[in-house]
Amino acid sequence: KAGVTQTPRYLIKTRGQQVTLSCSPISGHRSVSWYQQTPGQGLQFLFEYFSETQRNKGNFPGRFSGRQFSNSRSEMNVSTLELGDSALYLCASSLGTSGRFEQYFGPGTRLTVT
Amino acid sequence: SQQGEEDPQALSIQEGENATMNCSYKTSINNLQWYRQNSGRGLVHLILIRSNEREKHSGRLRVTLDTSKKSSSLLITASRAADTASYFCATDAIDYKLSFGAGTTVTVRA
Repeated sequence: KAGVTQTPRYLIKTRGQQVTLSCSPISGHRSVSWYQQTPGQGLQFLFEYFSETQRNKGNFPGRFSGRQFSNSRSEMNVSTLELGDSALYLCASSLGTSGRFEQYFGPGTRLTVT
Repeated sequence: SQQGEEDPQALSIQEGENATMNCSYKTSINNLQWYRQNSGRGLVHLILIRSNEREKHSGRLRVTLDTSKKSSSLLITASRAADTASYFCATDAIDYKLSFGAGTTVTVRA
């Protein structure tokens, strides 16, 4: 079974731009969660989608948004990028709600904002 | 804010020794999970333990959960170089959202 894939793997953007990251979950998994990982804040929950509906959202500003498609693939978007958005963005898929089921993580997208 | 806090922040052991790390959390949970992250394999799930379970094993890993003390421990027995990684506990306090701790960095010396 193929693992979770994320594209692109690396991205360099300038302040004020916007970015879209993509995640393809493991086949059969309907839940996709997104996390931001930085040296200072660690791993922080962004949002979770299940069957195209946002089930949970973390404490991030409205510049961070996401969606899930009918095939369970998910995208997250960050608008008006700030230097502090530089991070590793991880996507995880699971059979159900993230807290109840083991999460399978992708390799991440390394975003650098200059 | 993070729900879980791992202790110690870093640990260095000799190959073959056991490694123990702890996780404390603030509010009641339904489940607690442990993950490992290294540069080669990314973030990988190790064990999920439910609030009504006290102990769980998986290969050389043993996880305990004490809900009265709001704490969990992860024991790695007979450590190997490949166990060098950061270990995170994750809890689901509110709405089953996963909240990760800051992690314990384990270095296994040959």
